Amino acid sequence: ELKVEQNPLFLSMQEGKNYTIYCNYSTTSDRLYWYRQDPGKSLESLFVLLSNGAVKQEGRLMASLDTKARLSTLHITAAVHDLSATYFCAASSNTGNQFYFGTGTSLTVIP
Amino acid sequence: DAGVIQSPRHEVTEMGQEVTLRCKPISGHNSLFWYRQTMMRGLELLIYFNNNVPIDDSGMPEDRFSAKMPNASFSTLKIQPSEPRDSAVYFCASSPYDEQYFGPGTRLTVT
Repeated sequence: ELKVEQNPLFLSMQEGKNYTIYCNYSTTSDRLYWYRQDPGKSLESLFVLLSNGAVKQEGRLMASLDTKARLSTLHITAAVHDLSATYFCAASSNTGNQFYFGTGTSLTVIP
Repeated sequence: DAGVIQSPRHEVTEMGQEVTLRCKPISGHNSLFWYRQTMMRGLELLIYFNNNVPIDDSGMPEDRFSAKMPNASFSTLKIQPSEPRDSAVYFCASSPYDEQYFGPGTRLTVT
């Protein structure tokens, strides 16, 4: 079974600062996903990374994938309060359509 | 497209009662997933279907839980009898292959 680990689990950061959330997975996967969940809401897709070296950016968020290291990162640039949410990464197995989620990183951006 | 539709959005029931949660996936998506989310256990995959066929139900906690997908546009998750520890948010998600789209969730409270 593919295992996905995120760190940190909790992140409190000041507005304007930069930080990175890490997502490691245990076996070969060429597909990595990042989701955002606001309190009391559903999961919203942020990024889909489908190949080694893939990099995607949306606003202050940038995601990358290194399949050789089995690592994806979500980098936050100049954080703002609106980015406060829980961020999940998920990997899917190469042999099927099953998705494996990390435990999530709860991000709080402090003014 | 209206996205993944779940009903009801909120359900409050007494212990021992039967609960049925419903999901309508996005048209054309061939995979459907049921997840449960709690503070203690995070996001757990319960079962997923591919082309209406259950592929992996290893996450279904016990025999009280059952899921069906009679056709490509409808799925149910049933809990009978319900227990207080079943209280959680239940999400349905559908996928065409390489990305999952989540429904709004059903918040279940069993008293």
